[in-house]
Amino acid sequence: NAGVTQTPKFRILKIGQSMTLQCAQDMNHNYMYWYRQDPGMGLKLIYYSVGAGITDKGEVPNGYNVSRSTTEDFPLRLELAAPSQTSVYFCASSYLSITSGAYNEQFFGPGTRLTVL
Amino acid sequence: TQLLEQSPQFLSIQEGENLTVYCNSSSVFSSLQWYRQEPGEGPVLLVTVVTGGEVKKLKRLTFQFGDARKDSSLHITAAQPGDTGLYLCAGSPYTGGFKTIFGAGTRLFVKA
Repeated sequence: NAGVTQTPKFRILKIGQSMTLQCAQDMNHNYMYWYRQDPGMGLKLIYYSVGAGITDKGEVPNGYNVSRSTTEDFPLRLELAAPSQTSVYFCASSYLSITSGAYNEQFFGPGTRLTVL
Repeated sequence: TQLLEQSPQFLSIQEGENLTVYCNSSSVFSSLQWYRQEPGEGPVLLVTVVTGGEVKKLKRLTFQFGDARKDSSLHITAAQPGDTGLYLCAGSPYTGGFKTIFGAGTRLFVKA
């Protein structure tokens, strides 16, 4: 199992450019998440998905969009890059079931370091 | 707003020393996770604690969940350079729920 994979590892964008951060997991997890991590701050949730075709906003969704057409893939789209979006982006997945009472133990990808100049 | 505060923010110690880092909140959590993040990598789950007063050991690491399930600690015995990293605590308010609150982390550096 590859776990959670993310591409690219690094990217530099100019203000106003757009890009898609790719994320895939092969663990058949139902939940997937996008976080950003800024220096000295905790992980902030951007968007999450509870399954294919279902997504919802997290804590800091402005400037981002997501889609989830399959269980495995959860890309994050930046439409008009701004310097405030300079950060490290992590994709994560977990398996949750209300009936099983599972705890939200998340598996993270290696991250994408994005700089917007 | 639920917050998790971690202390200290930064810790630099010599190999062989013991240390404790803390994760505190005014809110109750159904479970709490500890993750370790190495430079250039994503966080990796170390442990989940779910019962008030619970103590879990992972080799030289000891995790404790507070009796009221509002706080947790991580104690490392005889720290080694391989323990260097960012330690994050994360709390889940509801069993089976996805919502997770992350602390800002404690950055540990262990010198050989």
